[in-house]
Amino acid sequence: GAVVSQHPSWVICKSGTSVKIECRSLDFQATTMFWYRQFPKQSLMLMATSNEGSKATYEQGVEKDKFLINHASLTLSTLTVTSAHPEDSSFYICSATSGRGTDTQYFGPGTRLTVL
Amino acid sequence: EDQVTQSPEALRLQEGESSSLNCSYTVSGLRGLFWYRQDPGKGPEFLFTLYSAGEEKEKERLKATLTKKESFLHITAPKPEDSATYLCAVIQGAQKLVFGQGTRLTINP
Repeated sequence: GAVVSQHPSWVICKSGTSVKIECRSLDFQATTMFWYRQFPKQSLMLMATSNEGSKATYEQGVEKDKFLINHASLTLSTLTVTSAHPEDSSFYICSATSGRGTDTQYFGPGTRLTVL
Repeated sequence: EDQVTQSPEALRLQEGESSSLNCSYTVSGLRGLFWYRQDPGKGPEFLFTLYSAGEEKEKERLKATLTKKESFLHITAPKPEDSATYLCAVIQGAQKLVFGQGTRLTINP
């Protein structure tokens, strides 16, 4: 139980293009989903929190116009990196929680984004 | 501000050599402390949640304990497949997880 998937697992794009990453909870309904970024040999940094049907809450310093988050259903959230630049290259990981009396976040396998 | 500090940064053990990883935290009103395992190029895998001082949880060769200031992840008779980065995190505010920097564990056969 508590499986979260991400797609794609890796993506390479040209500078200036947009990339969409999907995060799905496969066997539970995710009331809240989270998006993290991880640079090599560093820990996870929270980018934003999204609740189904609501606007995402972004962490300080994260550009909401650049990282668009949509949480359209209880099993799907998407992160779109708009007008990507090489500095956006990173490992993006989503997590989800069912919120039913538990704060445990279950993480997806991550998406490696490389912007050329 | 809530902080999580893990030590050591890296640890090399021989197969079968037991040890402990430390996670010190400062948080106003602990609502939960989490341990995750992360393999290279993958997302964190949930291991344990601890809620109150004195609580202990076990899973195979791993045992997590919690005091008012720190948590330990004890690894008994580790195997090479236990090699990974172990992450500790606490809840800040409503749901935000604050992570430590992790301990990179290597088990040599």
